[in-house]
Amino acid sequence: QKEVEQNSGPLSVPEGAIASLNCTYSDRVSQSFFWYRQYSGKSPELIMSIYSNGDKEDGRFTAQLNKASQYVSLLIRDSQPSDSATYLCAVPFNQFYFGTGTSLTVIP
Amino acid sequence: DGGITQSPKYLFRKEGQNVTLSCEQNLNHDAMYWYRQDPGQGLRLIYYSQIVNDFQKGDIAEGYSVSREKKESFPLTVTSAQKNPTAFYLCASAHLGSYNEQFFGPGTRLTVL
Repeated sequence: QKEVEQNSGPLSVPEGAIASLNCTYSDRVSQSFFWYRQYSGKSPELIMSIYSNGDKEDGRFTAQLNKASQYVSLLIRDSQPSDSATYLCAVPFNQFYFGTGTSLTVIP
Repeated sequence: DGGITQSPKYLFRKEGQNVTLSCEQNLNHDAMYWYRQDPGQGLRLIYYSQIVNDFQKGDIAEGYSVSREKKESFPLTVTSAQKNPTAFYLCASAHLGSYNEQFFGPGTRLTVL
């Protein structure tokens, strides 16, 4: 059984702080990893993809991948109230395996 | 304007009725997926298809049926056998291969009256 686990949260950070979201996965052969953001009542939106070990930066978002430890994280720098949402980690292998999500609240 | 469309946005059904949710994509993606999301819960896979005229059951296929007659379309039928169908239904699609990002449609919110 392939599994994706996320820190359960909820997570609250003050505006301007760094939010750190973590995800572990059980399938050692996975080659691609995704982070989605889901606002309440809306569908998930892909915000980051990462395929190789190390860091990938896109604006205020940084994804970090460590395949040896089967660990992928998402850092949000200078957090804004508009970042308040649920963040889902996903690992594809035939079908896509999603974590249950971490709810983030950024406090103004 | 490329993307994934789902219709209707809201759907109300009486108990005992079958309903069909539409999902269309013009991204030329090979694979399409249906998920169910209950309030405060994660995504649960209902069915997925990687090629026309073929599909596989996900974790919660009972009470649902699908078809994949065209690459662009993957309709989901919620049958009367589904005992608790009220939920948010999400359709997604993806390329198959190394860079297989999955994208979601806007969703259909189904309420059984």
